[in-house]
Amino acid sequence: DGGITQSPKYLFRKEGQNVTLSCEQNLNHDAMYWYRQDPGQGLRLIYYSQIVNDFQKGDIAEGYSVSREKKESFPLTVTSAQKNPTAFYLCATSGSLGSYNEQFFGPGTRLTVL
Amino acid sequence: GDSVTQMEGPVTLSEEAFLTINCTYTATGYPSLFWYVQYPGEGLQLLLKATKADDKGSNKGFEATYRKETTSFHLEKGSVQVSDSAVYFCALRGNSGGSNYKLTFGKGTLLTVNP
Repeated sequence: DGGITQSPKYLFRKEGQNVTLSCEQNLNHDAMYWYRQDPGQGLRLIYYSQIVNDFQKGDIAEGYSVSREKKESFPLTVTSAQKNPTAFYLCATSGSLGSYNEQFFGPGTRLTVL
Repeated sequence: GDSVTQMEGPVTLSEEAFLTINCTYTATGYPSLFWYVQYPGEGLQLLLKATKADDKGSNKGFEATYRKETTSFHLEKGSVQVSDSAVYFCALRGNSGGSNYKLTFGKGTLLTVNP
């Protein structure tokens, strides 16, 4: 099946720990994105990547890091520097960065800090 | 910067009622406009889109028309079903300057349809 997979679906973290959220796609899309969703809020962009080995900060990058070593994969690390990491994290892809293509979303990972 | 304002919910309707969810935007140039739907515990699914003024996006009985003169993209459906219960997000994708790489979202509107 073509699509975007995110794992795990639920993730629990103790304060002070780093955690990595996985995002894999087999749509052959160039661009990938990470968004954060909080209750009653829209989505806010954390990081995005247009091509392999290149990525840019979004609106709320502090406390997060990413890598793009393969076209298919764009993992997000939530570091201990992120003060309020409990949220729903969504990965998205699009065919290219600068076109009018819509973005396609994965099923999300819910991160809870204990 | 770009922004999207959509009507606050929650919205509660009876089955077969008419639905309108208002969405207005602020953007430079000619953005593309989208409606996404999110079912509980899931990611977002594209519902419909419009890329230029006066375009009408439609899907699954939902419609929205890109109105540049009123900077609006209101979502409508003539007869809602229980299965339409979800959160609906209006979003825009800018096409000027450095804003053409991301979606700017409204805060979402929770729709509940009762049988």
